[in-house]
Amino acid sequence: DVKVTQSSRYLVKRTGEKVFLECVQDMDHENMFWYRQDPGLGLRLIYFSYDVKMKEKGDIPEGYSVSREKKERFSLILESASTNQTSMYLCASSSPGATNTGELFFGEGSRLTVL
Amino acid sequence: AQSVTQPDIHITVSEGASLELRCNYSYGATPYLFWYVQSPGQGLQLLLKYFSGDTLVQGIKGFEAEFKRSQSSFNLRKPSVHWSDAAEYFCAVGALWAGSYQLTFGKGTKLSVIP
Repeated sequence: DVKVTQSSRYLVKRTGEKVFLECVQDMDHENMFWYRQDPGLGLRLIYFSYDVKMKEKGDIPEGYSVSREKKERFSLILESASTNQTSMYLCASSSPGATNTGELFFGEGSRLTVL
Repeated sequence: AQSVTQPDIHITVSEGASLELRCNYSYGATPYLFWYVQSPGQGLQLLLKYFSGDTLVQGIKGFEAEFKRSQSSFNLRKPSVHWSDAAEYFCAVGALWAGSYQLTFGKGTKLSVIP
């Protein structure tokens, strides 16, 4: 069974702390994504990566960075967390393959609270 | 640019009643269309997808959706709702962006089920 695993389901951090959200997929997918989900706003794309060491900004990259050193792992970094980054963070992956349609496989999410 | 509109933010139905969730999309070419479901505190799970061919697609958990090109719609239906269907539902369209297909999501429809 395919799987996208997010290391932390719930985190509580203080303003100014550096935060790492980790995501690992076991499907050998090239593409990986980080979304932020807030009530009434749906899913908004923060960053995505289509290959190791490659990254592209999404719709709301400000205040975030990412790292992809290995194909299976994609990390989201908040250099200095702020209260407006309190949110649910969703990692997803997809394969560009011959049937590239954009279909995404999601992790269970990481709910971050910044105090 | 592509977009997805889910006109209903919140819908309440009685258990056993039929359900239709609306989705309208905007995309210049033939779209790839998806419905995802999110149970509380969880990630998104794919319900069904439309790529081509038969415009009525069947998904998991007894859901189906119909693609209507003339109306730019992809509405989700279920003939008899179960209490376990209470969740948030997201419609998405796959479109080419930065060399591969990316999903653009609607803002979601929250479904409540009355026992």
